[in-house]
Amino acid sequence: ILNVEQSPQSLHVQEGDSTNFTCSFPSSNFYALHWYRWETAKSPEALFVMTLNGDEKKKGRISATLNTKEGYSYLYIKGSQPEDSATYLCACFYNQGGKLIFGQGTELSVKP
Amino acid sequence: GAGVSQSPSNKVTEKGKDVELRCDPISGHTALYWYRQRLGQGLEFLIYFQGNSAPDKSGLPSDRFSAERTGESVSTLTIQRTQQEDSAVYLCASRPRAGSGDNEQFFGPGTRLTVL
Repeated sequence: ILNVEQSPQSLHVQEGDSTNFTCSFPSSNFYALHWYRWETAKSPEALFVMTLNGDEKKKGRISATLNTKEGYSYLYIKGSQPEDSATYLCACFYNQGGKLIFGQGTELSVKP
Repeated sequence: GAGVSQSPSNKVTEKGKDVELRCDPISGHTALYWYRQRLGQGLEFLIYFQGNSAPDKSGLPSDRFSAERTGESVSTLTIQRTQQEDSAVYLCASRPRAGSGDNEQFFGPGTRLTVL
């Protein structure tokens, strides 16, 4: 059974703090990793899709890295803002299946 | 263009009743997924349709759950004899190409199901 794990489960930070969280996954037969952002009462939206070891992607104040050999990805948020408050989901795609395996998510709360 | 749509947005039902949830994927997307999130839990995979292939039903929690998809269009998720533990947000997602993990999924707004 493939298990994608995210930590921490929840995070409370002050506006302006930089933060990061982790996604760990089995590296065997790994194909791609997705990060999604899920705001309350909205649909999850894709932030990044990464496939290559050493990939780094950036969108505004948010960036992500990928290490496929050791099976982890980091998501960084620089200078957190209240509008960054959401659940951040990590999901992995493996060669042997057509579905994404989702982690439990990290719930971020940014206080003004 | 139009995104993934789901209906109804909210559904309140009594225990033991059957419910049907609908998903309209983005036109041309060959892969369609159903997930649910129960209160305080993560996103739980239910079922996956890929073109005309047999669906992956490995996530359906019991035989009270079933889903259909007509070709590459609308899908319906049916829950028979609903139980209180079925209360959750049911999300549908579609993807441009099945079998290619570098395509992001596009999620619908979800159906919030409450079983009294």
